[in-house]
Amino acid sequence: GQQLNQSPQSMFIQEGEDVSMNCTSSSIFNTWLWYKQEPGEGPVLLIALYKAGELTSNGRLTAQFGITRKDSFLNISASIPSDVGIYFCAAPLGGGSEKLVFGKGTKLTVNP
Amino acid sequence: DVKVTQSSRYLVKRTGEKVFLECVQDMDHENMFWYRQDPGLGLRLIYFSYDVKMKEKGDIPEGYSVSREKKERFSLILESASTNQTSMYLCASTWRYNQPQHFGDGTRLSIL
Repeated sequence: GQQLNQSPQSMFIQEGEDVSMNCTSSSIFNTWLWYKQEPGEGPVLLIALYKAGELTSNGRLTAQFGITRKDSFLNISASIPSDVGIYFCAAPLGGGSEKLVFGKGTKLTVNP
Repeated sequence: DVKVTQSSRYLVKRTGEKVFLECVQDMDHENMFWYRQDPGLGLRLIYFSYDVKMKEKGDIPEGYSVSREKKERFSLILESASTNQTSMYLCASTWRYNQPQHFGDGTRLSIL
């Protein structure tokens, strides 16, 4: 079935560093979503991308919808301790389906 | 802002009990979803509903049922709880397919 391959699985960085993570698939998607989940909480939508090549920012977060429609990238600039959490990519299966397919997540740890 | 509310953050039940998890959304969304989240397995779809009284099985429906009597409320039922149903349960809703899903804060369920 359709899968999203998210990397890296985990990152340990120092406060102030920039972070990059990505999601790839062998399938084409028309929408890419990025969520953040903090410990003990539900995922929160960070950025939604609807067009190939689209670059969208939300504060220090920037996400891009790959030109091939098979990948997406999330960057966090100047990380701070409250950036810790698990970041998920997701994409609607399309074709009228209500389902999302999810990446396994990138666990981010920021050392002060 | 979309608000998805799950009735309990933490719940402890015994093996064999019938367990109800409740979810309410305030945005008149058509679609509602129940997931479970386990370490290393990511988010897995249990059931979803695209309208009142309508439901479809997700990827792991065994041992669960659902009820949607009103548009804003979607209930997950564990017919006879077992220890392998100990997990984090997440409810989500969306207006229509291809739109981002919005999640509740989750219910951490322990079956003893």
